[in-house]
Amino acid sequence: GEEVAQTPKHLVRGEGQKAKLYCAPIKGHSYVFWYQQVLKNEFKFLISFQNENVFDETGMPKERFSAKCLPNSPCSLEIQATKLEDSAVYFCASSQTQGITDTQYFGPGTRLTVL
Amino acid sequence: AQSVSQHNHHVILSEAASLELGCNYSYGGTVNLFWYVQYPGQHLQLLLKYFSGDPLVKGIKGFEAEFIKSKFSFNLRKPSVQWSDTAEYFCAVTGGYNKLIFGAGTRLAVHP
Repeated sequence: GEEVAQTPKHLVRGEGQKAKLYCAPIKGHSYVFWYQQVLKNEFKFLISFQNENVFDETGMPKERFSAKCLPNSPCSLEIQATKLEDSAVYFCASSQTQGITDTQYFGPGTRLTVL
Repeated sequence: AQSVSQHNHHVILSEAASLELGCNYSYGGTVNLFWYVQYPGQHLQLLLKYFSGDPLVKGIKGFEAEFIKSKFSFNLRKPSVQWSDTAEYFCAVTGGYNKLIFGAGTRLAVHP
């Protein structure tokens, strides 16, 4: 597609429950980035992929967060045993290449609320 | 570590007023700089970007930004704002592996 698609739009979980978010990059884009925006503050980078390979995971909390990009499937970000502080909007972005002149196109985000 | 700071958190202007939003970054090497805009209820969209060359960059919707290396700044400007410019504006710099490092954002409200 011509836009980055993210599902669901909203997700509500009780503390300790699992949350799974999905992202379909723009067709033909090889790079996918996940960002977390807490309480309308700045975006925090989580992880990026080059096709199905992890490109950079320096922002990922290792304990409860995991992510995958499998061939012919949307990318996913999963949070095991959610905590209150995981409440945020999670944005996915894609770019065609990793060239420094390449633009990242953002999806509409998934708002996760942990109660 | 790289960081971006945006000085104004909230700006309120009347239509036709001029706009300047401040952005400073901390990084000693080559930088790639961006301004993104998020209109109410919409996605983040790219306004403009700077990689090299002319430090005055023109973007969409009449926006421009000037890269001043000596001041580590990349301020966003528009000579005459419209009500439709009401949005949140984010300055960003590319970090390692091309991840974006964002500032906290500036919320702009334009009154008719």
